[in-house]
Amino acid sequence: AQSVAQPEDQVNVAEGNPLTVKCTYSVSGNPYLFWYVQYPNRGLQFLLKYITGDNLVKGSYGFEAEFNKSQTSFHLKKPSALVSDSALYFCAVRDITSETGANNLFFGTGTRLTVIP
Amino acid sequence: DAGVIQSPRHEVTEMGQEVTLRCKPISGHNSLFWYRQTMMRGLELLIYFNNNVPIDDSGMPEDRFSAKMPNASFSTLKIQPSEPRDSAVYFCASSLFSQGGWETQYFGPGTRLLVL
Repeated sequence: AQSVAQPEDQVNVAEGNPLTVKCTYSVSGNPYLFWYVQYPNRGLQFLLKYITGDNLVKGSYGFEAEFNKSQTSFHLKKPSALVSDSALYFCAVRDITSETGANNLFFGTGTRLTVIP
Repeated sequence: DAGVIQSPRHEVTEMGQEVTLRCKPISGHNSLFWYRQTMMRGLELLIYFNNNVPIDDSGMPEDRFSAKMPNASFSTLKIQPSEPRDSAVYFCASSLFSQGGWETQYFGPGTRLLVL
């Protein structure tokens, strides 16, 4: 079975402070991991993904995420938060070794990030 | 590229009416996904197609929902008859699928459906 967990429904951080949005995953094989962001009344936008290689992945808008296989985590981070980063963030996983060859993603429940001026 | 195009952007209808949502994927993409988003249930995958063929429709709530993809550039999601509990934002996404590939899904802006 494949799944992701986002343990925090809401994260508040002061502008200029570092932010972390947590994600843990569960797959039977090797994961492809994604982060998406959703601004109000908009569709989900791709931020970054991990496939293989360097555990630290850099993405759009200054975001990065660290893949940690031993902790099965893929936390999203940014060194200095902006008010404009306030949005809903989704983590997603695909098991690349799925025997069915299915290519659908499994999304977490989302974490609402609020950056306080 | 225009991105994934969905229409209509907003739909208000009365219970019992038929609703048809439309999606045009990104040109060249061969996978198409329909999602539903509500406050209560979050983001749910309803159905997805590879090369116009439905692969997994286990997320379709019930027989009132149907989806088609007659060609590579067009898909519809139909609800007949509609019910108030179908009120949600429906997203379409597309990607370029290859066996063992690592495709990224790109989402459309969504259709906000309200069933009265």
